[in-house]
Amino acid sequence: EVYLVESGGGLVQPGESLRLSCTASGFTFSSYAMTWVRQAPGMGLAWVSGISVSHISLSGGDTHYADSVKGRFTISRDNSKNTVYLQMSSLRAEDAAVYYCAKSSSSSWNAAFDIWGQGTTVTVSS
Amino acid sequence: SYDLTQPPSVSVSPGQTASITCSGDKLGDEYAYWYQQKSGQSPVLVIYEDTKRPSGIPERFSGSNSGNTATLTISGTQPMDEADYYCQAWDRSTGVVFGGGTKLTVL
Repeated sequence: EVYLVESGGGLVQPGESLRLSCTASGFTFSSYAMTWVRQAPGMGLAWVSGISVSHISLSGGDTHYADSVKGRFTISRDNSKNTVYLQMSSLRAEDAAVYYCAKSSSSSWNAAFDIWGQGTTVTVSS
Repeated sequence: SYDLTQPPSVSVSPGQTASITCSGDKLGDEYAYWYQQKSGQSPVLVIYEDTKRPSGIPERFSGSNSGNTATLTISGTQPMDEADYYCQAWDRSTGVVFGGGTKLTVL
């Protein structure tokens, strides 16, 4: 069975940082790109960031970001731990959402997202 | 930035055919993907690369993509199909783009 389990969400104040983790099982993690998608309360899905596969480094390949998080969020992966991370800094109220980790159907970050985690909730409030 | 436009809501009677559209500039030049999200649950991929169904997705789900419009069609709609549906595509400058979502009501 293929699983993605997110963790690390919580309540933070504006300007603070948070690191989300997503641990995978049931597939060869190092062979697939991974992505983060968020959903604000009552709103639709919004892509946040993606990371492709690197055949050189264990820590992943190309990274890509939505304009709304560029310069504030950093995606990374540790293939030895089957885990992808999202380091979020300078958090704003508009970053509050459920954050989903999703597996790409290929080594490229811009393919279908065929497996999704259960999500972890980030609340940004003073 | 690149935008994908979906109708906010679509209603269908059980057993009838539901069609949900997704519009974007030259959308037909890229692959379109569709996700189903039931209330309180994570999204599920139902159509990929315009027309393909992942394993486990019923045959009543089908897709098409041409010109500026991609369409998700659910034939013989069942009450269990009631959900929010999102289209998704990729844009060279924007990255991954989702449509705003369509709430499908089966009544």
